[in-house]
Amino acid sequence: DAMVIQNPRYQVTQFGKPVTLSCSQTLNHNVMYWYQQKSSQAPKLLFHYYDKDFNNEADTPDNFQSRRPNTSFCFLDIRSPGLGDAAMYLCATSQRGGYEKLFFGSGTQLSVL
Amino acid sequence: QQPVQSPQAVILREGEDAVINCSSSKALYSVHWYRQKHGEAPVFLMILLKGGEQKGHDKISASFNEKKQQSSLYLTASQLSYSGTYFCGTVQGGKLIFGQGTELSVKP
Repeated sequence: DAMVIQNPRYQVTQFGKPVTLSCSQTLNHNVMYWYQQKSSQAPKLLFHYYDKDFNNEADTPDNFQSRRPNTSFCFLDIRSPGLGDAAMYLCATSQRGGYEKLFFGSGTQLSVL
Repeated sequence: QQPVQSPQAVILREGEDAVINCSSSKALYSVHWYRQKHGEAPVFLMILLKGGEQKGHDKISASFNEKKQQSSLYLTASQLSYSGTYFCGTVQGGKLIFGQGTELSVKP
């Protein structure tokens, strides 16, 4: 089945140690999103790619970077994780942006020790 | 700007009905609804693209009032499986921004 896959499901890192989360999709969608969701809060958009066009939210910390080497893969890099970066990170895709259904991966739960 | 949902939390008995509202201070062109269970990803329920549009499947339906800049989600004869957090999402600049969520608990 076509889907959005996130690895790993759970990630533990140390304070200040760089970490990379990955997302892949078999839907061939143009748009890929990264959302951060903290406990009992709404998913918060960090950035998104429309094809190769990168769009950063104004309030996304510089500590967060993203790469999309091809249509299928997208990575979230956290250069120096702090305790406040512990959250669920959700990857989502859509074909033509927000006017269509978003397909979510199962998420990566990040813990920072 | 984040859409505003009300109520923040609802507790129901099985078989009861509920309404969740979503409003925006900005013009609305489409509204998404998702349900999320604890520790899982949001699951798509429906999207409304036109003012006045109503949609539904099973016993969950939604309406979209473009003029009032709001949408409502209706859950009829609730089941235990309806428990979770419901998010509306509005499209701003081509990207989806979620409301703060409504936590729904259905008790036997």
